[in-house]
Amino acid sequence: ETGVTQSPTHLIKTRGQQVTLRCSSQSGHNTVSWYQQALGQGPQFIFQYYREEENGRGNFPPRFSGLQFPNYSSELNVNALELDDSALYLCASSPSGGAGETQYFGPGTRLLVL
Amino acid sequence: TQLLEQSPQFLSIQEGENLTVYCNSSSVFSSLQWYRQEPGEGPVLLVTVVTGGEVKKLKRLTFQFGDARKDSSLHITAAQPGDTGLYLCAGLISGNTGKLIFGQGTTLQVKP
Repeated sequence: ETGVTQSPTHLIKTRGQQVTLRCSSQSGHNTVSWYQQALGQGPQFIFQYYREEENGRGNFPPRFSGLQFPNYSSELNVNALELDDSALYLCASSPSGGAGETQYFGPGTRLLVL
Repeated sequence: TQLLEQSPQFLSIQEGENLTVYCNSSSVFSSLQWYRQEPGEGPVLLVTVVTGGEVKKLKRLTFQFGDARKDSSLHITAAQPGDTGLYLCAGLISGNTGKLIFGQGTTLQVKP
């Protein structure tokens, strides 16, 4: 059974650029959630995808967008990058998005915006 | 607005000491989870508590969910250097499927 994987592991961008982060969910899981973890903080929920549809969104602007593919892998896209977007971006997969289900986190992508 | 307040934020203790980490909120959670995160890795689930007043034990770790399901604590007995890491509590609000609300985390350092 393959765990949650994310790519790339590290990324450096400049202000105003766009970035795409990728996540492969654990085998058999159809739900992916994305979180932003700033340095020294707990993760903050960005959004969740269930069977290719957005299924809940946190307090993030529209320049944060996502996709989920038929194989349940997912992308997080951030446009017009700002310095404050520098953070660890985590994705987590769960079997069916049900309340209380365990979410399995990937190792994250560390994004630095200069 | 931080819905979940964790305290303390930092803790540095000697091997063998006991410690307690607190997670408090004014909101009611349908369940609360505790995670441990090591540098360069994602959070790993330690336990989920669901029922008010519930106590769960995981070796030297004891987790408690408050009677009103608004707070929780993590107690570690006889801490070891291998316990070093970032401990996060996260709550699920009823109706918000899958949206985990995390506390700020407690960074624990256990010195040999």
